[in-house]
Amino acid sequence: EVQLVESGGGLVQPGGSLRLSCAASGFTFSSYWMSWVRQAPGKGLEWVANIKQDGSEKYYVDSVKGRFTISRDNAKNSLYLQMNSLRAEDTAVYYCARDEVAAAGICMDVWGQGTTVTVSS
Amino acid sequence: DIQMTQSPSSLSASVGDRVTITCRASQSISSYLNWYQQKPGKAPKLLIYAASSLQSGVPSRFSGSGSGTDFTLTISSLQPEDFATYYCQQSYSKMYTFGQGTKLEIK
Repeated sequence: EVQLVESGGGLVQPGGSLRLSCAASGFTFSSYWMSWVRQAPGKGLEWVANIKQDGSEKYYVDSVKGRFTISRDNAKNSLYLQMNSLRAEDTAVYYCARDEVAAAGICMDVWGQGTTVTVSS
Repeated sequence: DIQMTQSPSSLSASVGDRVTITCRASQSISSYLNWYQQKPGKAPKLLIYAASSLQSGVPSRFSGSGSGTDFTLTISSLQPEDFATYYCQQSYSKMYTFGQGTKLEIK
């Protein structure tokens, strides 16, 4: 079964750090771009970052550039999101998703169940 | 950045109705447009990719159309399980963006 399982969420103070993990199974992880997407309470979806199969290309939404770092370990079938200098507005459910090549562009066809990050004092 | 604007933001409809949701991109994105369904407390689910291709396992009452800047998601005959929030998403840019969502509610 193709599966993504996130972990590492929790309560952190403003200015603090947190590292999210996403464990992949059931597919050849090293063959896919991967993304992180978040959803603040009661709000819509926001793409956060993505990373190429070999980690050589990474892209970020402007609001997290310089604070968040996406990475991966293909030997461990794992995706990571290192989050530093956290702000209250980073409070959200964070999902990892698989980027699948579509007839036109990329679609996110497999999603994890999400992990909750709360930034509060 | 490419901005995605959905309309309406919310919609009330009845079982059996035909419903159309619109998504507009701030610049041409060819057919690099996907649609997702999300139910409360659940992860999003891919419905339509590349503007008009139905994801495997998704009922045929869902369809997508459009190219360039204007796209639509149509549900031909609403079923009770279709009441959810729907999002469009562009992948023309490597920095993906989502529309703000359309909440489909029962009338």
